[in-house]
Amino acid sequence: KQEVTQIPAALSVPEGENLVLNCSFTDSAIYNLQWFRQDPGKGLTSLLLIQSSQREQTSGRLNASLDKSSGRSTLYIAASQPGDSATYLCAVKSGYALNFGKGTSLLVTP
Amino acid sequence: KAGVTQTPRYLIKTRGQQVTLSCSPISGHRSVSWYQQTPGQGLQFLFEYFSETQRNKGNFPGRFSGRQFSNSRSEMNVSTLELGDSALYLCASNLGRYDDEQFFGPGTRLTVL
Repeated sequence: KQEVTQIPAALSVPEGENLVLNCSFTDSAIYNLQWFRQDPGKGLTSLLLIQSSQREQTSGRLNASLDKSSGRSTLYIAASQPGDSATYLCAVKSGYALNFGKGTSLLVTP
Repeated sequence: KAGVTQTPRYLIKTRGQQVTLSCSPISGHRSVSWYQQTPGQGLQFLFEYFSETQRNKGNFPGRFSGRQFSNSRSEMNVSTLELGDSALYLCASNLGRYDDEQFFGPGTRLTVL
């Protein structure tokens, strides 16, 4: 059974800092890995999708990497802004369903 | 292109009642998946429908069921509601391949009293 862990569970940083969110998974036989953002009480917004054959994906200030052999992914956020405050979820597709981590709750203070 | 839509957005029910939630996928998407999100368990997979057939099912009791229509719209039904069914129910759609990107709707917040 695929287990997904996200560290840290919560993070508070001042505006402008670069930060890294970590995700680890136990089974390297995956189709892909997706990073999502969730605002309180809202649905999930897809940020980046990394297929199993890829090593990284970039979108604006976001960069996600994937090391399938070690079961790790990182989400790098450059020059953080208060609007980045949200919960970030890592999800691994290794079968027919996404397996989610518990998320990292990010607070960016002005 | 319109995103995934879910109705209603909020529901309040009492124990023992039943409820039906609706999901309209992105145009052209043939796969619809349902997830339950609770503070304690996080996000858990309920089931997936593809071309009107349930293709996969998670580990939930038979009180949870669903269906998909020919236009790919999907409904999920929960019968004999329990307090523990209070959750955010999220629907996701994609084209249908297992490596496709998943797009989620805003969710339906169900409260069982």
